[in-house]
Amino acid sequence: DAGVTQSPTHLIKTRGQHVTLRCSPISGHKSVSWYQQVLGQGPQFIFQYYEKEERGRGNFPDRFSARQFPNYSSELNVNALLLGDSALYLCASSLGNSPLHFGNGTRLTVT
Amino acid sequence: QQPVQSPQAVILREGEDAVINCSSSKALYSVHWYRQKHGEAPVFLMILLKGGEQKGHEKISASFNEKKQQSSLYLTASQLSYSGTYFCGTEAGNTGKLIFGQGTTLQVKP
Repeated sequence: DAGVTQSPTHLIKTRGQHVTLRCSPISGHKSVSWYQQVLGQGPQFIFQYYEKEERGRGNFPDRFSARQFPNYSSELNVNALLLGDSALYLCASSLGNSPLHFGNGTRLTVT
Repeated sequence: QQPVQSPQAVILREGEDAVINCSSSKALYSVHWYRQKHGEAPVFLMILLKGGEQKGHEKISASFNEKKQQSSLYLTASQLSYSGTYFCGTEAGNTGKLIFGQGTTLQVKP
């Protein structure tokens, strides 16, 4: 079975631009969560979606948004990019609330 | 509030043992342990639910002290493949929202 897949793997954007990150969960998993991991730190919770509804939101500005589609895949959108948004963005899927199965992430660099 | 992990880093020789601790100031529903190798995704190791249950997987086991809101990860007879950064993720309720510690970097040398 395929694991969690994320695209793209790497991305370079300029300050002020917008970015869309994509995630396909493990087959059968209905919950998708997004985490931001800054170099040298643990992942930080951004969003959780279950059955296409937002179940939780972390302490991130409104520039961050997400959605889940009927096939349970998900998108994370970030508007008006700042240098501080440079990080590894991890998507995780789960059957219920846990355990989380992470994808390899999207490395976003904002210049 | 972010859990605190200790130590921040540890270097071992193959065959040695290690303990990684995770402490929270909040009452916890569960503690999750993950290992992340450089450039890779975090990999799930185990979950401990409140109740003080100890779990094990071959030479890696963990405990959860509900009264102290602490969890410990025990790595026995370490192997080179154990190298990586270990994260604990805590959950205040059955929400699926994990708050991760800052990580403990483990390096196992031959």
